[in-house]
Amino acid sequence: AQSVTQPDIHITVSEGASLELRCNYSYGATPYLFWYVQSPGQGLQLLLKYFSGDTLVQGIKGFEAEFKRSQSSFNLRKPSVHWSDAAEYFCAVGGGTGTASKLTFGTGTRLQVTL
Amino acid sequence: NAGVTQTPKFRVLKTGQSMTLLCAQDMNHEYMYWYRQDPGMGLRLIHYSVGEGTTAKGEVPDGYNVSRLKKQNFLLGLESAAPSQTSVYFCASSLQVPKQFFGPGTRLTVL
Repeated sequence: AQSVTQPDIHITVSEGASLELRCNYSYGATPYLFWYVQSPGQGLQLLLKYFSGDTLVQGIKGFEAEFKRSQSSFNLRKPSVHWSDAAEYFCAVGGGTGTASKLTFGTGTRLQVTL
Repeated sequence: NAGVTQTPKFRVLKTGQSMTLLCAQDMNHEYMYWYRQDPGMGLRLIHYSVGEGTTAKGEVPDGYNVSRLKKQNFLLGLESAAPSQTSVYFCASSLQVPKQFFGPGTRLTVL
């Protein structure tokens, strides 16, 4: 069974500081990996995805993530956080064909940004 | 394109009442999903559909029913609401690869 672990429930960073959110996954084959962001009272917005190829993927809003197969990780990074990045972030893992595109989500990391 | 829309945005029910949540997408996606989101638990899949006329159970299907009579619509029904079904419900849709597009959510409170 596929699973996702986001070990940090809540992270606080200062505006302008760098950010890394951790994500570890369990999946039996090559995974499809995603990071979504959810602002308060809103739906989920896709930040970036990894399907194959280059293990460093770029997303929207200046975010990037690196797929490390040996560590079963897909950590999200941003070099300089803005106050508007305060939100909840979800990592998700899914399969390809034959799995109905089901995603399994982590429990989320809430990011607080101090000025 | 409106993307994925959900109706209603908010609803309060009494225990035992029934209701239907509507999800609509205009992207011609084959796959549609219903999730519930509860604090500290992330999103959990309730039911999903791989095409018009087909539905399947997800991780937490008990107490819910779904129908996909038209490709663009996916309905989630609660026949007899319980307080444990107080949650935020999200609909999503996708093509065959698992890149899902989410609706804005429905906040349901069951008293």
